[in-house]
Amino acid sequence: DAGITQSPRYKITETGRQVTLMCHQTWSHSYMFWYRQDLGHGLRLIYYSAAADITDKGEVSDGYVVSRSKTENFPLTLESATRSQTSVYFCASSESVRRTNTGELFFGEGSRLTVL
Amino acid sequence: RKEVEQDPGPFNVPEGATVAFNCTYSNSASQSFFWYRQDCRKEPKLLMSVYSSGNEDGRFTAQLNRASQYISLLIRDSKLSDSATYLCVVNMDSNYQLIWGAGTKLIIKP
Repeated sequence: DAGITQSPRYKITETGRQVTLMCHQTWSHSYMFWYRQDLGHGLRLIYYSAAADITDKGEVSDGYVVSRSKTENFPLTLESATRSQTSVYFCASSESVRRTNTGELFFGEGSRLTVL
Repeated sequence: RKEVEQDPGPFNVPEGATVAFNCTYSNSASQSFFWYRQDCRKEPKLLMSVYSSGNEDGRFTAQLNRASQYISLLIRDSKLSDSATYLCVVNMDSNYQLIWGAGTKLIIKP
């Protein structure tokens, strides 16, 4: 059971380039999330999705775009990467909003992005 | 003021000791509370939920103090494998919005 996988795990890019981080889950969870984690900050929500074709902005969505054409995939795109987007990005999924309310998020291993 | 605050530590604790740390939250309307554990360079994983009456899971005890707006995590008989960062998470209302603390780093020493 692969669970939730992210790719690439590590990425170095340059300012202004477009970058896409992939997230794939095998559980058929309805809810998927993208977070970023920076030193001294808690996880901050970028985008979330309640189902295929339904997405909504989180706390720090500027400069990011998501799509969810299939339940199992939730790619995150940085349209024009900036140095401030250097971070660790975590994708997560949850069975339902009730499960989310109980705190049961399941995370991928993270994607470490460096923008030079 | 941050919505969820934690002492970043690190807490350096000898193996076998008891350690406790707190997390404060700013929104008195917060509905639910959790502790996650995150190992170095790994993803967070749910450790336990925090219930109003307090709850225990083996060596771990979680408490909620709504009047003072904090939750706590107590670890008894600490093991080397308990070394990790412990993240406090608060659900502000009934939707998906989880607010994460920056974490408390715990180091258990032999």
